[in-house]
Amino acid sequence: EAQVTQNPRYLITVTGKKLTVTCSQNMNHEYMSWYRQDPGLGLRQIYYSMNVEVTDKGDVPEGYKVSRKEKRNFPLILESPSPNQTSLYFCATRGMGNYGYTFGSGTRLTVV
Amino acid sequence: SQQGEEDPQALSIQEGENATMNCSYKTSINNLQWYRQNSGRGLVHLILIRSNEREKHSGRLRVTLDTSKKSSSLLITASRAADTASYFCAKDSGGYQKVTFGIGTKLQVIP
Repeated sequence: EAQVTQNPRYLITVTGKKLTVTCSQNMNHEYMSWYRQDPGLGLRQIYYSMNVEVTDKGDVPEGYKVSRKEKRNFPLILESPSPNQTSLYFCATRGMGNYGYTFGSGTRLTVV
Repeated sequence: SQQGEEDPQALSIQEGENATMNCSYKTSINNLQWYRQNSGRGLVHLILIRSNEREKHSGRLRVTLDTSKKSSSLLITASRAADTASYFCAKDSGGYQKVTFGIGTKLQVIP
């Protein structure tokens, strides 16, 4: 079954404590992306990756880092989380061409 | 700026009625996609319509695309309570460019 697996599902952390949200896909897709979803703002892209070792900024990259060392994994790193990064985060992947995204189940992050 | 703006932002209908949601965008697209999201869950891809297509069907879903007006609509026929969710349109500019999502339409279907 085609899957995007995100962990953790819920996370409460304190300001400044580094954290990583993991994302893994089993579809052998080159393209992966991170979005954050906030009320009234919809989904905004944080970072995306077109292949291993190829990443680029989306609309709201400040305060985030990513890495793509393997095709299946695309972790999102918050080096020093702040309260304004409290949000619902989604990892997604898609194939090249006219295909839709497959999304993970989301990570609800609260930074206090 | 956000592309793929949905209208209305919220819609409440009775079970059995049809639900229509609209989406407008600003620049050229390769395709336009519609997604569904149950509260707090991941988005699920519903249907994709290419820029050279005008209408597409999938079960009770009908999507139209008018590239001259830069707009699309999603029609859900004979709605069910289980259709209650948020619906998003997403503009795909093609290649590896990002897919840009709108803010969504929250649909409530009352049993």
